[in-house]
Amino acid sequence: GENVEQHPSTLSVQEGDSAVIKCTYSDSASNYFPWYKQELGKGPQLIIDIRSNVGEKKDQRIAVTLNKTAKHFSLHITETQPEDSAVYFCAAKVSNFGNEKLTFGTGTRLTIIP
Amino acid sequence: DAGVTQSPTHLIKTRGQQVTLRCSPISGHKSVSWYQQVLGQGPQFIFQYYEKEERGRGNFPDRFSARQFPNYSSELNVNALLLGDSALYLCASSSDRGNNQPQHFGDGTRLSIL
Repeated sequence: GENVEQHPSTLSVQEGDSAVIKCTYSDSASNYFPWYKQELGKGPQLIIDIRSNVGEKKDQRIAVTLNKTAKHFSLHITETQPEDSAVYFCAAKVSNFGNEKLTFGTGTRLTIIP
Repeated sequence: DAGVTQSPTHLIKTRGQQVTLRCSPISGHKSVSWYQQVLGQGPQFIFQYYEKEERGRGNFPDRFSARQFPNYSSELNVNALLLGDSALYLCASSSDRGNNQPQHFGDGTRLSIL
């Protein structure tokens, strides 16, 4: 089955700097890659997603890049703010209409230092 | 519009007992998935239901079961509880309007086994 690895497990960044989180996946049939932000006591919140027919997607300060050949994808957060502090999860899903199984990475705890 | 709602928010049980967790999807969403999130890890897929039928099952024992009702709400049942079942149980819903629709999570039920 699919296996998703995520690095780093913890990341501290000065406010205003950029943060990058990287994930690799094992199943070449995966073609949907969402990123979730989870705050304490809350469920995961979808922040951005990318499909395999696209190499990059951007939404304001957040961007995701995908390299299908290398089977890795990354989350980039620019101009970080204290409210960006949370645990971030990447995930991958095999394209199969009706199949909703997401395989998650182990998470990155991002701390923004004021 | 209301997001995914789960009840109860917290639950304490003892070993050997049975538990039922409930989920109401976003209005219009027909697909419901259940995930288990152990502290410090990413969510693990348990089940997916669509139109009251099971569409996917993760690597969990038969003590775990679920169902979906005509209004698309869902229940997750766990029998013969073990200490290792202590976790945050998350429900996610998604639209059926095309492949790779985003999954939106509720805030989960925190289950503690004593």
